[in-house]
Amino acid sequence: DTEVTQTPKHLVMGMTNKKSLKCEQHMGHRAMYWYKQKAKKPPELMFVYSYEKLSINESVPSRFSPECPNSSLLNLHLHALQPEDSALYLCASSQDPSTNYGYTFGSGTRLTVV
Amino acid sequence: DAKTTQPPSMDCAEGRAANLPCNHSTISGNEYVYWYRQIHSQGPQYIIHGLKNNETNEMASLIITEDRKSSTLILPHATLRDTAVYYCIVRLITTSGTYKYIFGTGTRLKVLA
Repeated sequence: DTEVTQTPKHLVMGMTNKKSLKCEQHMGHRAMYWYKQKAKKPPELMFVYSYEKLSINESVPSRFSPECPNSSLLNLHLHALQPEDSALYLCASSQDPSTNYGYTFGSGTRLTVV
Repeated sequence: DAKTTQPPSMDCAEGRAANLPCNHSTISGNEYVYWYRQIHSQGPQYIIHGLKNNETNEMASLIITEDRKSSTLILPHATLRDTAVYYCIVRLITTSGTYKYIFGTGTRLKVLA
């Protein structure tokens, strides 16, 4: 299995809702990443997990809460989001945090906050 | 924050070589250059990476100048399916020793029939 799987593919949520995005890989990768991408902009790094521990938080608002329950799974919990949080949320993984090899990205979850 | 600069857009005729330049003049000696592409609304796809030698794989070639301040991604025979945004990335190392990609603005390549 050489894929990163993200679910759901699309999500519409209200500003008072709580929802979660899920990311899964079975390549034995030990680093996982969340990126946020607004329309016609490059992806922006949000979080980096290294061996299931949070190693980078790019000053992301607390309404985004990441979780890495095991080495194959990465979640992003969403609460009290704003319409400007609507974006494509991308998950990626790599062999380990310092590998020189590339990342494998999922296809993303397109989030709309209403 | 991005350490790379790329032209915002390029056109290429189908079947011709597409040469995408990238400037990374502040690159450090042990930093790799990575290229990814993103086809509309999909996740970025890894293409190739290199340190100082030229690299080739089944998708593309990467030419890095001797001073390592710039590189060129070459798609030897562009097809319509190569239409995408191409990102050149230099990986950063943080003060905690963790690596991270910072994407630049990318080049929107349009392959014309």
